[in-house]
Amino acid sequence: DAGVTQSPTHLIKTRGQQVTLRCSPKSGHDTVSWYQQALGQGPQFIFQYYEEEERQRGNFPDRFSGHQFPNYSSELNVNALLLGDSALYLCASETNTELNTEAFFGQGTRLTVV
Amino acid sequence: AQSVTQPDIHITVSEGASLELRCNYSYGATPYLFWYVQSPGQGLQLLLKYFSGDTLVQGIKGFEAEFKRSQSSFNLRKPSVHWSDAAEYFCAVANHNFNKFYFGSGTKLNVKP
Repeated sequence: DAGVTQSPTHLIKTRGQQVTLRCSPKSGHDTVSWYQQALGQGPQFIFQYYEEEERQRGNFPDRFSGHQFPNYSSELNVNALLLGDSALYLCASETNTELNTEAFFGQGTRLTVV
Repeated sequence: AQSVTQPDIHITVSEGASLELRCNYSYGATPYLFWYVQSPGQGLQLLLKYFSGDTLVQGIKGFEAEFKRSQSSFNLRKPSVHWSDAAEYFCAVANHNFNKFYFGSGTKLNVKP
């Protein structure tokens, strides 16, 4: 049973460009959350997708957008990249159908903006 | 507003010594509490979690944590640290809809031989 998989593992982009990060949730999980972890910080919640819709959003600008597909996989898109967007982006998946479940995190995508 | 504080940024302990990592939280109701570990370049691995019931929670790798409502704390402990425990540890609180985590800023653990 594959866990949460994220791609790519590393990415270098230039300021002003756009980037798309991908996440495949753990088998049986229908809910995907995205987190940004800047160097030396704890992860910060970006948003969560369930049933192909954004269900909750953290304090991030509209440059950060996402999508969830019918197979529950998800994408995180960031437009007009800034140097400060350099971070580890983590995807977490969970099931919405059980109480007291845990979220499983992927290995992350390390984005560097130059 | 929900928040998590980990007051110790770095901790160094000798191999075989005991360990306690501090975590304080702010939450309006009984929280769901978690400890995660992150090795360099890796994602987050769950060590243990508290939802309800017994306030002393056992986790993987010999870790345990105790929920103390009166102190708004959820400190992580291990009686004897191994060199492989060197990593960064994050405490987190989740709301009751389990929609999102609030993480502390982490405690980096170094283990001396």
